[in-house]
Amino acid sequence: EAGVAQSPRYKIIEKRQSVAFWCNPISGHATLYWYQQILGQGPKLLIQFQNNGVVDDSQLPKDRFSAERLKGVDSTLKIQPAKLEDSAVYLCASSFPSLARWRDEQFFGPGTRLTVL
Amino acid sequence: GENVEQHPSTLSVQEGDSAVIKCTYSDSASNYFPWYKQELGKRPQLIIDIRSNVGEKKDQRIAVTLNKTAKHFSLHITETQPEDSAVYFCAASRSGDTNAGKSTFGDGTTLTVKP
Repeated sequence: EAGVAQSPRYKIIEKRQSVAFWCNPISGHATLYWYQQILGQGPKLLIQFQNNGVVDDSQLPKDRFSAERLKGVDSTLKIQPAKLEDSAVYLCASSFPSLARWRDEQFFGPGTRLTVL
Repeated sequence: GENVEQHPSTLSVQEGDSAVIKCTYSDSASNYFPWYKQELGKRPQLIIDIRSNVGEKKDQRIAVTLNKTAKHFSLHITETQPEDSAVYFCAASRSGDTNAGKSTFGDGTTLTVKP
């Protein structure tokens, strides 16, 4: 099966500029996650969608970050304006609805490496 | 919220030796504990997972143990090979409720297997 797709793979911007990342999950996966992975750290959950609804966004810096999943499939994560500390890899992951408890595995995309100068 | 601590941060072993990585978690409601392997420049991939109703799970050279009382779980890799070199992340989450799937990750262990 096709994996999670993300674009772009790399992005370099100046601080205070805006940037957007795109994710296409595995077909049929209702749950979609955006993670921020700073170098040397584990992925930190920014936002979790179940279909087109937000399940958790408690760690999303809402003054500058926004995300949407309008039709319950693709998702976009935006940063506006970017700060130096936003430099990180942004990972998208998807999973099958976890009500089927044996299918909690998250499948990750290749990530977008963001550098803010 | 959940807090996951992972130790050690770096681990170097000789090929053929065993490697053990340990994680502790804080939320007693967490019931799903996956381990991911991330090779340099690549995406994390699930290598093994365990649920809270099981104390141990094994898959060839990899095993995971869980102590719910102490709230810690460990990854064991036996007969290590150079291709096991990577960063390993543990995670803890709840499954089967409205918070399903929300994973809190440890900060990773960089495993180096020397030939």
